[in-house]
Amino acid sequence: AQTVTQSQPEMSVQEAETVTLSCTYDTSESDYYLFWYKQPPSRQMILVIRQEAYKQQNATENRFSVNFQKAAKSFSLKISDSQLGDAAMYFCALHTGANSKLTFGKGITLSVRP
Amino acid sequence: DTGVSQDPRHKITKRGQNVTFRCDPISEHNRLYWYRQTLGQGPEFLTYFQNEAQLEKSRLLSDRFSAERPKGSFSTLEIQRTEQGDSAMYLCASSQPTWGSPLHFGNGTRLTVT
Repeated sequence: AQTVTQSQPEMSVQEAETVTLSCTYDTSESDYYLFWYKQPPSRQMILVIRQEAYKQQNATENRFSVNFQKAAKSFSLKISDSQLGDAAMYFCALHTGANSKLTFGKGITLSVRP
Repeated sequence: DTGVSQDPRHKITKRGQNVTFRCDPISEHNRLYWYRQTLGQGPEFLTYFQNEAQLEKSRLLSDRFSAERPKGSFSTLEIQRTEQGDSAMYLCASSQPTWGSPLHFGNGTRLTVT
């Protein structure tokens, strides 16, 4: 079985500053995918970034980057130059096998102060 | 790409009634997922299909819940004899069958059982 843990329920960041959202996971698989999804208030969930476990290089998408530490089973999301539109719930998720489901963490609510 | 659509957006029903939700995935996506999300929590997996085959069902999916995907296109999720604990957002997502393909979510159906 796999688990995803997001221990920080809420975080706040000043506009234009950088914030890091934490995620840890557990799986017995050696190969898997990790995702961060964003869910703005009353809006649909969208993909932020994806990381393949066998790739050592951390994924980057514009202002969003990850710090993937496979040995520590840690997968944090860094948001640079935070914008008001970044305010949302962020979910970390794990996908372990070709025929398995995506397992989500409980999420973290990010607020951005103007 | 018209996105994943769900119908209805909101449903209010009385305890004991049956409800049915519909999901239309992105047309070229073979996989279709149902998740349930309660306020402030991450999505919990319910079931998923590859084409018309239901490949996995969560233990959360009691015998009052049934999902179908006839002909591998749209899917329906039915809840019989609804209970107040069924009140939640029901999310549908679709993806290509390639391992690691991100899920594309619909806007969800919010169910309120009174």
